Amino acid sequence: DQQVKQNSPSLSVQEGRISILNCDYTNSMFDYFLWYKKYPAEGPTFLISISSIKDKNEDGRFTVFLNKSAKHLSLHIVPSQPGDSAVYFCAAGRTGNQFYFGTGTSLTVIP
Amino acid sequence: GAVVSQHPSWVICKSGTSVKIECRSLDFQATTMFWYRQFPKQSLMLMATSNEGSKATYEQGVEKDKFLINHASLTLSTLTVTSAHPEDSSFYICSATGTGGGYEQYFGPGTRLTVT
Repeated sequence: DQQVKQNSPSLSVQEGRISILNCDYTNSMFDYFLWYKKYPAEGPTFLISISSIKDKNEDGRFTVFLNKSAKHLSLHIVPSQPGDSAVYFCAAGRTGNQFYFGTGTSLTVIP
Repeated sequence: GAVVSQHPSWVICKSGTSVKIECRSLDFQATTMFWYRQFPKQSLMLMATSNEGSKATYEQGVEKDKFLINHASLTLSTLTVTSAHPEDSSFYICSATGTGGGYEQYFGPGTRLTVT
């Protein structure tokens, strides 16, 4: 049973527009959430994180929003750039325990 | 940021042989290392968690006698796929958490294993 779900396998966005990637989780005990970016044939690289005590965390063009009541988090990229084209994984877990990953969303930013 | 390396990046081996994959933390001490496996178009699946100096904890369904994990030092963990079969062909990725208390896992670049 998948504890973290990314229901959109792919997303296409025009350069300069906003990209919104969504992630849902099932375990209300999860208290830390991360987003990773992965290029083909490379390992995932950490992008941004948020703890359950916050509902928003911003880093440059990347903002993660957490809605604990809905068990939902999203990653906003604005403005989107062609170099942002990659697969984005969300991960969630409890402090000190393993993290569970979603299946990823492939983002394509069209120049 | 923290750097984790893996070696080799790509290996091809024949059925029945064993393959060792190394995971190194280059600029921090990794108290815990995780080994993941990724099938095409699927999520990362945790195989096992290893803490330095102790036996690895394997996830349900992962054969510990087939996937040998050794975390002998704070900077090195190895995964040995024993008696490899074509179905073991996959992308293996390690990650590490350091002693600094952060929750981020720093990932290696991955090793693509092809068993012929």
